[in-house]
Order: sequence, then C-alpha cells, then structure tokens
Amino acid sequence: EDQVTQSPEALRLQEGESSSLNCSYTVSGLRGLFWYRQDPGKGPEFLFTLYSAGEEKEKERLKATLTKKESFLHITAPKPEDSATYLCAVLAGGNEKLTFGTGTRLTIIP
Amino acid sequence: DTEVTQTPKHLVMGMTNKKSLKCEQHMGHRAMYWYKQKAKKPPELMFVYSYEKLSINESVPSRFSPECPNSSLLNLHLHALQPEDSALYLCASSQERADQETQYFGPGTRLLVL
Repeated sequence: EDQVTQSPEALRLQEGESSSLNCSYTVSGLRGLFWYRQDPGKGPEFLFTLYSAGEEKEKERLKATLTKKESFLHITAPKPEDSATYLCAVLAGGNEKLTFGTGTRLTIIP
Repeated sequence: DTEVTQTPKHLVMGMTNKKSLKCEQHMGHRAMYWYKQKAKKPPELMFVYSYEKLSINESVPSRFSPECPNSSLLNLHLHALQPEDSALYLCASSQERADQETQYFGPGTRLLVL
C-alpha cells in the first residue's frame, strides 16, 4: 500500500528564517509527486509536480526537490503570507488516485 | 488559466433537504473529481469522471449522487445527509485521468448538515 508521511506536523518560524518541509514516500513505481498549499477553509493551491529523482522546481521563495525516497519543500526567507498547510501527494504504480500526506502546518511569525 | 470554480461557497442544510453542489472548469480538462475534506485532514477522493463518464466511485453512500452534464460541469447532488457529512467539498480537474496529470482544485463548498 502506498504511504506518504509528512514532517514536521507543525512548524513555527520567524520571518526570514529558512527551513525545509519533508515528504517521505513508500510506493511502487512513482509516477508523480505533487505539492499543494492550502489556506484554512480553501481548496489546495497547486505548487509543483516532480516526476523523477534529482528533479528540482522553484517558485518565488519555494523550491521543491525529489529523491527516490523523499521530497523536500525548501522555503527561503519566508514571509507571514507563506503561512499555510503544505500538502504532499503521490501518484504511483497502478493506483488511479492521489495518496496525500497529512500536511505540515507552517506559521511564519512577523 | 488554471481556475476551477465552485458554488455555493457555503451551504447549510437539514437532514431532509435536497441540495446540489456545482463545479465548473474551462481549461478543456477531461477528468473531474469530487473530494471530501474534514478539518485538519487531507482530502479524500469520492468520485472521478473521465470523459463525462463515472470511472471511480470510492464506495460513497448513495445519499451523494454525482452528475457530469458536459465536459466543463460537475454536480454533486445531496439528499438525506447526516451531520457527519459536514465537511469541505472540493472539486478538482486534470487534463486527463492519466498517469502523471496534475489536479487543480477549486475553492470548495463548506457544507454544514444540521
């Protein structure tokens, strides 16, 4: 069975304090790994799709990387508006649906 | 443009009511999805439509009835719901229901069942 584990569950950072969120996965045949940002009461907002180990993608203060076992979402010099829950999800093997992690709740303190 | 729209934003209904949730996308996507999300939990897949045909039903109770009138629209008809059905209902779409397609989510409908 596909498993996705995100850590930490919650993270509080000072504004400007860079850090990384982790998404570990155990799947048979990764087809795609997806990062989403979700604000309270709203739908997930697409950030990145990664397909193969070694791939990296960047958008503003965010950078996503992928290895054969995990993905990192690096956030550089975060601002309060980066506060949200960050969700990781995978498509793998013969599965036809996304398997989500439980998310990391990120709070950036001004 | 990667916009998926959902109406209404909020819905309060009694257990005997019948209501519908609506989802629309104009990206030419051929796969559309309904998810249910409870507080502090990840989204749970309910239904998948591919080329306007129901392709996945995740053993959802019959009080939830999906409908795909055309390639841009997806409805979720609700009848005789229970208080535990209160949740955020999310619609998503992707280019195809294929191996690596990114799903784009709408803003959701917050449903409260009294």
